[in-house]
Amino acid sequence: QKEVEQNSGPLSVPEGAIASLNCTYSDRGSQSFFWYRQYSGKSPELIMFIYSNGDKEDGRFTAQLNKASQYVSLLIRDSQPSDSATYLCAGNNDMRFGAGTRLTVKP
Amino acid sequence: DTGVSQNPRHKITKRGQNVTFRCDPISEHNRLYWYRQTLGQGPEFLTYFQNEAQLEKSRLLSDRFSAERPKGSFSTLEIQRTEQGDSAMYLCASTRDQANYGYTFGSGTRLTVV
Repeated sequence: QKEVEQNSGPLSVPEGAIASLNCTYSDRGSQSFFWYRQYSGKSPELIMFIYSNGDKEDGRFTAQLNKASQYVSLLIRDSQPSDSATYLCAGNNDMRFGAGTRLTVKP
Repeated sequence: DTGVSQNPRHKITKRGQNVTFRCDPISEHNRLYWYRQTLGQGPEFLTYFQNEAQLEKSRLLSDRFSAERPKGSFSTLEIQRTEQGDSAMYLCASTRDQANYGYTFGSGTRLTVV
């Protein structure tokens, strides 16, 4: 059974804080993992991808991948109200999504 | 590169009618996925194509749903005898080759069955 599980939400953080989003997956066929951001009423938008174990940083976003543990995470530093959205993760092999984590950044 | 295009953007239909949605992927993208999304849920996988071949279809998908991708370009998703439970956003996404760099989603088609 190919599954993606994300930390249950909703997640609320104050503006300027670090938001931590987690995802575990069961499909070992995926080599790359993606984080999508979805604003209410909009379609998902790719914000990060990672294919090597370790960290990948892009601006305020850091993705972390641990293939042995089948775990991928996303850290958002200096969270802004505009980061308020649902965050979805998926692997490239089967592109299944979990329910997502709804993040609210409070001013 | 004009992105992934989906038409129509909105569709309202009466229960029991058939509807068809279209997805035009980014040119040269050979993988194409269809998803269904309801409020508060993540996108639910429906089916995917590698070029013109439909390689996988969700086991949960009713046989009222069918998808095609003639010539490996645009794709259509048809729902026959629509039910109120079919009301959802239908999303299409495409990518090239092994999708190492992610998929691009279209804006979706919102279906309302009344």
